Amino acid sequence: GNSVTQMEGPVTLSEEAFLTINCTYTATGYPSLFWYVQYPGEGLQLLLKATKADDKGSNKGFEATYRKETTSFHLEKGSVQVSDSAVYFCALTFSGSARQLTFGSGTQLTVLP
Amino acid sequence: KAGVTQTPRYLIKTRGQQVTLSCSPISGHRSVSWYQQTPGQGLQFLFEYFSETQRNKGNFPGRFSGRQFSNSRSEMNVSTLELGDSALYLCASAQDTSEERNIQYFGAGTRLSVL
Repeated sequence: GNSVTQMEGPVTLSEEAFLTINCTYTATGYPSLFWYVQYPGEGLQLLLKATKADDKGSNKGFEATYRKETTSFHLEKGSVQVSDSAVYFCALTFSGSARQLTFGSGTQLTVLP
Repeated sequence: KAGVTQTPRYLIKTRGQQVTLSCSPISGHRSVSWYQQTPGQGLQFLFEYFSETQRNKGNFPGRFSGRQFSNSRSEMNVSTLELGDSALYLCASAQDTSEERNIQYFGAGTRLSVL
């Protein structure tokens, strides 16, 4: 079956540090890939997406590139802020009528001032 | 445009009871999916509805059911509640166009506690 593996957390960084959260996937075929973010007490917000190999998704300073050869979609940000503290989820889905998202386990990020 | 609205935000029930959760999708969205989030199992897909029909179902027992109305609003029902059903239940809606069909937008969730 399909699966997503995320870097174990929690991750604690100082403000303005560089962030990488690793994500790899196992899937039959070529899925669309997503990063969602969850702030305390809230639902999931779409952060960025990529639908085919070599696509780069970007939003709010975050970036991730769809790497088919390594089946990866690592999340990066050059300079994190305290407001980036949240749980980050990597996810995949396939085109077609079924709209099921498969999620990784989530990575808790805490940014200290 | 209003986002996905889930009601109620919090629920406390006792074992053996049943519960109904409600989800109003973004206007114009015809697909509604439900997910369960727990610390142990993470985010797991429950089912998806489109045009009042269940289109896909996850690996959950028959105690978990849902439905969708003609205005795309959806409800999910859990019967004979167990302690392990305590979770955050998230609803997500999506358009059904070729450009946006793979993007799901989530509500804030309903936190269910079973005592």
